[in-house]
This record gives sequence, structure tokens and C-alpha cells, in this order.
Amino acid sequence: QVQLVESGGGVVQPGRSLRLSCAASGFTFSSYAMHWVRQAPGKGLEWVAVISYHGSNKYYADSVRGRFTISRDYSKNTLSLQMNSLTAEDTAVYYCARDHVVGPASYYFDYWGQGTLVAVSS
Amino acid sequence: QSALTQPPSASGSPGQSVTISCTGTSSDVGGYNYVSWYQQHPGKAPKLMIYEVSKRPSGVPDRFSGSKSGNTASLTVSGLQAEDEADYYCSSYAGSTNFGVVFGGGTKLTVL
Repeated sequence: QVQLVESGGGVVQPGRSLRLSCAASGFTFSSYAMHWVRQAPGKGLEWVAVISYHGSNKYYADSVRGRFTISRDYSKNTLSLQMNSLTAEDTAVYYCARDHVVGPASYYFDYWGQGTLVAVSS
Repeated sequence: QSALTQPPSASGSPGQSVTISCTGTSSDVGGYNYVSWYQQHPGKAPKLMIYEVSKRPSGVPDRFSGSKSGNTASLTVSGLQAEDEADYYCSSYAGSTNFGVVFGGGTKLTVL
């Protein structure tokens, strides 16, 4: 069965960096676009970034562009999110999510991980 | 990337129907048939309920239906059940300028 397991969250000071990972299993990782979606405590969902199934195309929300980098490792079936210059506004549960269709992104998310909490605080 | 507009709350009694609206612009909801809806129970990850405006993934009851008119999409839950009580979020592809997705602020559905 499809499983997505995030890791790497924690408490980090403003201005510092953090790297999240998402271990994928139960499906052909190289066939699907992958996304990061976040949710601030008590707030709604916010799409963060997408990486294409072939890894060549990456797109970001305006709020993180230039600070966050999405990547994927096909040998380890792992999705990553490198987060730099973190601010309090980045505090959230970060979910990795699989795109709904094989191939080019459809921007629907059919499987989600359990999320990992990132807290930016001094 | 402005958020889509949803009512903060909605409610209905068991067996009734309730409709949740999601209003965007011609750059997102109105410009594409790429609207989806997610259900989220407290402490859980979201679950895809509707995609491409009105399609249901396998396993989602046909009590859930979606539609769109102009810049507004809607989710209707018929035959309300206690387990339908949750937060519901709409989302839409936001256009070719940034290849992103915008979400609504969420609607808390209460089954009375």
C-alpha cells in the first residue's frame, strides 16, 4: 500500500535552515509528481512546492520561493524540502503528498503523509 | 496567490444535505476545471474527496458531489452522517504563471 513518511521536523531558530524528508513506498515513485503542503497551527492548508515526476520541473509558492528547494532521490524513493532563512511564518505541519495521476502533475493530492511539525522560534 | 473564499462554518442534521461554496477568480476556479475538495478530521491528514470539479476517487461515497459555476465551486454532502463532521478545503490550479495551487480557508462542517 502507498505510504509516505515525513521526518526532519523540529524546533529551529529564525534565520536557520532545516531539511525535511519524505520516504515513499508502495508505488512507482518515479512515475508521480510530488508535492509539499503545509498547515500552520489552527489554520488552513497552503501548497508549498511541486516537483515533476522526472525531477526537471520545480515550482514554488510565492511565500517560499527563493528560500525553499524541493528535490527527489530516485535511488532512495525520497522527497526532500530544504528550507533556508526560516521565519515564524514558516511554523506549520509539513505534509508530503503524492499527485493523483501518473506523469505530469494534476495538482490533486491523493495520498498524504502524517506530517512533520516545524516550529520556528527563538 | 490569494486564497479561495469559503464560509468558515456550515451545519446540517443527519440525513440532510449541505452545500459548501468556494469562490475564486477567473485566474483559478473560473479558468480551469481543476477544482478539488479535501476532508480533514482533527489531527489527521487531508483526504481527497473530489477532483476535476466533480469526480470522486475510488472509495468516496456518492453522497459527496461537486459542481462549478463561473468562479464559484461547490461541494454538496447529501444524507449527512456523523462521520462527515470535519473541515473541508477546496483547492484550484492557479494558472500557468506560477504552476501552483491555491486553497480555500476551510469550512468546518458540523453535523447537528
